[in-house]
Amino acid sequence: SYELTQPPSVSVSPGQTARITCSGDALPKQYAYWYQQKPGQAPVLVIYKDSERPSGIPERFSGSSSGTTVTLTISGVQAEDEADYYCQSADSSGTYEVFGGGTKLTVL
Amino acid sequence: EVQLVESGGGLVQPGGSLRLSCAASGFTFSSYDMHWVRQATGKGLEWVSAIGTAGDTYYPGSVKGRFTISRENAKNSLYLQMNSLRAGDTAVYYCARVGYGSYEGAFDYWGQGTLVTVSS
Repeated sequence: SYELTQPPSVSVSPGQTARITCSGDALPKQYAYWYQQKPGQAPVLVIYKDSERPSGIPERFSGSSSGTTVTLTISGVQAEDEADYYCQSADSSGTYEVFGGGTKLTVL
Repeated sequence: EVQLVESGGGLVQPGGSLRLSCAASGFTFSSYDMHWVRQATGKGLEWVSAIGTAGDTYYPGSVKGRFTISRENAKNSLYLQMNSLRAGDTAVYYCARVGYGSYEGAFDYWGQGTLVTVSS
């Protein structure tokens, strides 16, 4: 079955830049989406179609794509950004959805 | 305001059945694809099922043949019938809406989830 691979954890100090990667063979063909999830809450969409930012999401959140890897970048990380982040995409046929294993962002 | 409210979770014995519901409001329910996503305690998100506006359905191998997704547009409701439940199905189950237009493909709204516990 198709898998998306994320690092389990990323740590940064406040004000620094956090980069979270997500790798998958079908990413050149399928868009990726990113979600932020804080403890006890439902996920929230922060990036769609690789690099688009929904209304209401701070400009410090951005996304990019290169080959089989997509990256979520958080510039000028704030304490409130500490959360789990998940990438999501579809298999090469576009039929089945899949989530990455999630990355815990720790703000030191 | 878009709202998705899940219900129907609870404790069920292995091999048992449960039906989850998701009540939608604040948008034209019949025009959107809908999904179920689950999350075991302390674990990541796992896609469970999808239903299109035409009633087409999709499942991953882990639940295919045991779970059935359905919708009732007249009642703005989404359902998940879960049969032959296993301990590994224990999780919070979220319903999620797939965006339209620019947001196509994105889970743009999520419910707060309902907890399903499979245990004897």
